[in-house]
Amino acid sequence: GAGVSQSPRYKVAKRGQDVALRCDPISGHVSLFWYQQALGQGPEFLTYFQNEAQLDKSGLPSDRFFAERPEGSVSTLKIQRTQQEDSAVYLCASSLNRGYNEQFFGPGTRLTVL
Amino acid sequence: GQNIDQPTEMTATEGAIVQINCTYQTSGFNGLFWYQQHAGEAPTFLSYNVLDGLEEKGRFSSFLSRSKGYSYLLLKELQMKDSASYLCAVRDESTLTFGKGTMLLVSP
Repeated sequence: GAGVSQSPRYKVAKRGQDVALRCDPISGHVSLFWYQQALGQGPEFLTYFQNEAQLDKSGLPSDRFFAERPEGSVSTLKIQRTQQEDSAVYLCASSLNRGYNEQFFGPGTRLTVL
Repeated sequence: GQNIDQPTEMTATEGAIVQINCTYQTSGFNGLFWYQQHAGEAPTFLSYNVLDGLEEKGRFSSFLSRSKGYSYLLLKELQMKDSASYLCAVRDESTLTFGKGTMLLVSP
């Protein structure tokens, strides 16, 4: 009965380093979303999965960002060659299905790139 | 595209009523959501409107006018724990576009 979990909660990376952020959605939730939230801003959409299919990746800011959900449950957001502007909180959310109203958010991963 | 506007900050007194407005201009519309987010925590769902009118849920109510591209969140009997950021979000097909959030500070 756990909610959405994310790991790590905090990540400090040196500029140029690759990072991988993990999201465990609520069991049985078909839809999974990644958002980026800068300080003092609202979450901004990055990408959306329905089961293992990535249906929308229009929000990914560059080709350094890559997301996958190979078995339709756990998802990983990978950022290659991190830059300082990548510093933000990365939020994952899941919902029961595409038409379901409520998205349940995880606590986020705070990424700091030095 | 989507454009969502809400005030940056609001202040109110414990026990009072506050109304947080949100206006939107969107290419598609499939519902409007309000989320509450305490500092350092995940957004939590407050309300959902897809038809015009008022939805009431305890101390919180949300209103929608689709023709005006306008919504508000009404918080009654404010408590100190209501100090948080309130996010307005519009859904198109399946994704949410969020406003920047309104930081509400409730003082004694």
